[in-house]
Parts: sequence; C-alpha cells; structure tokens
Amino acid sequence: DAGVTQSPTHLIKTRGQQVTLRCSPKSGHDTVSWYQQALGQGPQFIFQYYEEEERQRGNFPDRFSGHQFPNYSSELNVNALLLGDSALYLCASSGGTDSYNEQFFGPGTRLTVL
Amino acid sequence: AQKVTQAQTEISVVEKEDVTLDCVYETRDTTYYLFWYKQPPSGELVFLIRRNSFDEQNEISGRYSWNFQKSTSSFNFTITASQVVDSAVYFCASIAGNNRKLIWGLGTSLAVNP
Repeated sequence: DAGVTQSPTHLIKTRGQQVTLRCSPKSGHDTVSWYQQALGQGPQFIFQYYEEEERQRGNFPDRFSGHQFPNYSSELNVNALLLGDSALYLCASSGGTDSYNEQFFGPGTRLTVL
Repeated sequence: AQKVTQAQTEISVVEKEDVTLDCVYETRDTTYYLFWYKQPPSGELVFLIRRNSFDEQNEISGRYSWNFQKSTSSFNFTITASQVVDSAVYFCASIAGNNRKLIWGLGTSLAVNP
C-alpha cells in the first residue's frame, strides 16, 4: 500500500521564478493538505483540497496556489519566489476509510531559493 | 484562538533514561483532536498518536505513553528506556471544531546519547 509520495525531493530556484510541487495521496484518501516548514519551525498550513476545490486556506499570499486532480493528486504552485520561500514543503493526505483528522505525510520537497 | 505550546526546545538524555515531552494546548472548542508526530533527520513526519477531546484515557504503546489531562490542557508524551533511534524532533499538534488545519507546536528536539 503506497503512502504519500512527493516530487521532486529537492529543488533549487532563483528569486522571481515559479515552482510546481507534486503530491500523490495515500491510496483511498481524497483530501490533500499542504504545509510549509521553515528550518527549526513547526509546519504551517498552506491550504487543503477536497473534491478538486480549495476547502480551507492558511495565512499565505496569493502567490501560493494549488490544484487537485480527479485522481486526488495535487500540485502546489508558488509564483515570484522569494528567499523566504525556502523551506520543506510537506503534503499530507487524509479521508477515505481513515479519519479525516488523521493526516499522513509525505517525505517532503526541500525548496531552496537563491 | 487555537494554540499549541511545547516549552522544551531541546532535550538531551542518555540511553535508557525515561524522558517526558510536554505539550500544552489552547482551544475554545469542546471538540478537538490532539496529535504527536515524530520527525527524524530524514524529514518525514511520522504519525504517533491521535486523541480526541472526549477520551482522556492514557495510552501506552510499547515504550511510548501519553498522558492527556483536560484539567491542565496538557497532552504529554513519555518515552521509557529511551534509545538512540528515538532521537528526532517531536511535534504536538491539534485540530479543533470544524477547522481542517493542524496547528503545530514548535517541536522538541530530543537527542538520545549512547
């Protein structure tokens, strides 16, 4: 049973560029949440997708956008990258026969903005 | 407002010692869930436990145990006979009411030395 997968593992971009991160949820899960974790900090909620719609959003600017596909996989897009966007981006899935409150995390994508 | 506080930033113990990680939560909701996650150096968040606000029973899983006390708004985590493999950052988190985002503490970095 595959868990949550994310790609790429690492990414290096320069300021002003755009980036797309991808996530495939655990089998049977229909809800995907994205978190940003800066070094030495706890994760911060970016947004959550369910039925291809953004259901809830954290305190992040519009530069952060997402999408969920019919197969429940999801993308996180960040435009006009800033140095402060350097972080570990975590995807979590939930739902299906598991509790919607029990989120399973992927290994993350480490984004470095130079 | 919803908040999770982990007052211990770093803890260092010698192998086989018992160690307790503290977690204090704040919420106005009567229905909420509390979680503990482990984040080893690899970065992936590993789910350890979920507790709902209506179940104050303590739980034991092998060397791990959790003490949930609503009277003090605490959800503490104890590792008995710690091992080097327990070295990681441990996060306490909560979800409250109809909210769908995990609110995280800043984490406690545990170092278990041989």
